[in-house]
Amino acid sequence: SQTIHQWPATLVQPVGSPLSLECTVEGTSNPNLYWYRQAAGRGLQLLFYSVGIGQISSEVPQNLSASRPQDRQFILSSKKLLLSDSGFYLCAWSVGELVPEAFFGQGTRLTVV
Amino acid sequence: SQQGEEDPQALSIQEGENATMNCSYKTSINNLQWYRQNSGRGLVHLILIRSNEREKHSGRLRVTLDTSKKSSSLLITASRAADTASYFCATDQADSWGKFQFGAGTQVVVTP
Repeated sequence: SQTIHQWPATLVQPVGSPLSLECTVEGTSNPNLYWYRQAAGRGLQLLFYSVGIGQISSEVPQNLSASRPQDRQFILSSKKLLLSDSGFYLCAWSVGELVPEAFFGQGTRLTVV
Repeated sequence: SQQGEEDPQALSIQEGENATMNCSYKTSINNLQWYRQNSGRGLVHLILIRSNEREKHSGRLRVTLDTSKKSSSLLITASRAADTASYFCATDQADSWGKFQFGAGTQVVVTP
């Protein structure tokens, strides 16, 4: 069965520090991968979307970047964090049109101080 | 941009009652999904309904889709305290397949 791993669960980082959040998927090949951010009490905002290795679509301008160095690995990064980068970050995967459901990791609570 | 908008924003009911929440969207979709999120946790997939479907059931969940009105509803029957969570709809837009857009959610509180 497919599983998704996202870590760390919580992270406190100072302003101006770098960020690296990692997400890996097991049990499937060539998944679509997503990074979402959720502000407190709000819905999810799609940040990045990837259909394959090295293929990244950025949905909103921001201080963050994403990379997909391997088929089932998706990394969210920042060179210098801002206070406004605080939030709940969720990684998700989906297979494709025949099985269009998206499945989520447990999320990373990032607090920039 | 937000595609789905849930209504109501918050819902408080007692155990055993039914909970109904709605989702409206703006553009044509391939499918619509409902998710549950417990406080501070990831999203759990509940049910998916495709654009050519009108109703689906899964256990105590019933989802309807009206593409002419661009709306969907989620009904939870015989609610339990464990159903307390936020519920989100996510749409997969017809012109941007695979990019799921979420609404702001409905916060449901079920009291014993």
